[in-house]
Amino acid sequence: AQKVTQAQTEISVVEKEDVTLDCVYETRDTTYYLFWYKQPPSGELVFLIRRNSFDEQNEISGRYSWNFQKSTSSFNFTITASQVVDSAVYFCALSLTNTGNQFYFGTGTSLTVIP
Amino acid sequence: KAGVTQTPRYLIKTRGQQVTLSCSPISGHRSVSWYQQTPGQGLQFLFEYFSETQRNKGNFPGRFSGRQFSNSRSEMNVSTLELGDSALYLCASSHNALAGGTLAKNIQYFGAGTRLSVL
Repeated sequence: AQKVTQAQTEISVVEKEDVTLDCVYETRDTTYYLFWYKQPPSGELVFLIRRNSFDEQNEISGRYSWNFQKSTSSFNFTITASQVVDSAVYFCALSLTNTGNQFYFGTGTSLTVIP
Repeated sequence: KAGVTQTPRYLIKTRGQQVTLSCSPISGHRSVSWYQQTPGQGLQFLFEYFSETQRNKGNFPGRFSGRQFSNSRSEMNVSTLELGDSALYLCASSHNALAGGTLAKNIQYFGAGTRLSVL
C-alpha cells in the first residue's frame, strides 16, 4: 500500500524566515513520482514540482527548493525568506508509474507566515 | 489557455437527494480525475476517466459514479446523499494517457472545486 506522511500539521513563521516542510512516503514500487502542491484559501491546488524516482537531484526554483532522498524516503520542501503570500496548505503526493493519474496525498501542512 | 473549470462552486443539498457536479478540463487534456477533500480524511481519490472510460477507481461506495463525454468534460454523481458526503470535490485534468511501462507521469491541474454541503 502507498502512504504519504506530512507530520507537521501547522507551522507558523515570521516573514523572511526559512521554513522546511517534511514529506515521507511509503511504497514498494521502484518507479514512482512525487509532487508538491500548494492550496491557497481559494481551494485550487497549484502544482509546484514533480520528481521521478530515478532523479535524486535537488532542485531550486527561486525561493523554493526540494530535497529528495530515496534512502530515507523523504521529499522535503524548503521556502527561503518566506513571504506572507506563501501562507497556504501544502500537500505532498505520490503517484505510481502504472496506476494512471491516481495521487496519494499527505494530510497537508498549513503554513502561516506572519508579517 | 483556460484552466480547469468546475461548476457549480457551491451546492447545498439534503440527505437522500442526489447531486451532479461538472468539470471541464483544460483544452486538449483527455484525463480527468476526481478527488474528495474533507477535514477528517484529507484528499482521497475517487476515480479517473480517460477517453470516456473509467481507468482507475478509489475506495468509495457505488453511490459515487462518474462519466466522461467525447469532449473530455466529466460529471460526477452522488446518489442518496449522506451527511458525510459534505466535502470539497476537486477535479483535475492532465494532458496525455499513461502508456504502460513508461516513466512519463503527467502533471495534474486542479480546478477550484465544488463545495457540497449536505444538510
